[in-house]
Amino acid sequence: AQSVTQLDSQVPVFEEAPVELRCNYSSSVSVYLFWYVQYPNQGLQLLLKYLSGSTLVKGINGFEAEFNKSQTSFHLRKPSVHISDTAEYFCAVSGTGGYNKLIFGAGTRLAVHP
Amino acid sequence: DAGVTQSPTHLIKTRGQQVTLRCSPKSGHDTVSWYQQALGQGPQFIFQYYEEEERQRGNFPDRFSGHQFPNYSSELNVNALLLGDSALYLCASSLGDGTGYQPQHFGDGTRLSIL
Repeated sequence: AQSVTQLDSQVPVFEEAPVELRCNYSSSVSVYLFWYVQYPNQGLQLLLKYLSGSTLVKGINGFEAEFNKSQTSFHLRKPSVHISDTAEYFCAVSGTGGYNKLIFGAGTRLAVHP
Repeated sequence: DAGVTQSPTHLIKTRGQQVTLRCSPKSGHDTVSWYQQALGQGPQFIFQYYEEEERQRGNFPDRFSGHQFPNYSSELNVNALLLGDSALYLCASSLGDGTGYQPQHFGDGTRLSIL
């Protein structure tokens, strides 16, 4: 079984500042890792994914994440945020050996202030 | 290229009633998954359909059932509605190659409110 812990429920930040959203996972098998973003009254949009290979993954909207197997982490970063990045961010895992059922964390609310 | 579409967008029901939610997958996708997202929480996996069969199920009671049609669209049915069923129900589609490799594409959801 897998589980995901997002360490911060809310992250306030000023516009143009850097941000890191933290995600740790637990799994007895190898996993694929994902970050999704949810804007108000919308579904989830895929930001980036780690499948294999380079541990630094680049996604849309200037976001990137680093897979750290020894620390079982997959933290999301952006060097300079915009007001439009205000949203809920979800980290998710799926096992590599079966179907692509996603296990989500509880989410981190990123609030970007002017 | 149409993405995942869900209907209706909002629904209000009372306890004990039954509800059906609908989903059309992204063009080219053959697998549909359903998730329940309670307020302030992450989505929880309900089940996944592939080739008109339920092939994986999360920890949800039998009151939750589904169906997939030959055109890959899907329905989620919930019987004997409880107040705790109030949530955003998300449909996601993907290619069904049987691995976790294929990312899921989500619709905007159906907001179900139980009175």
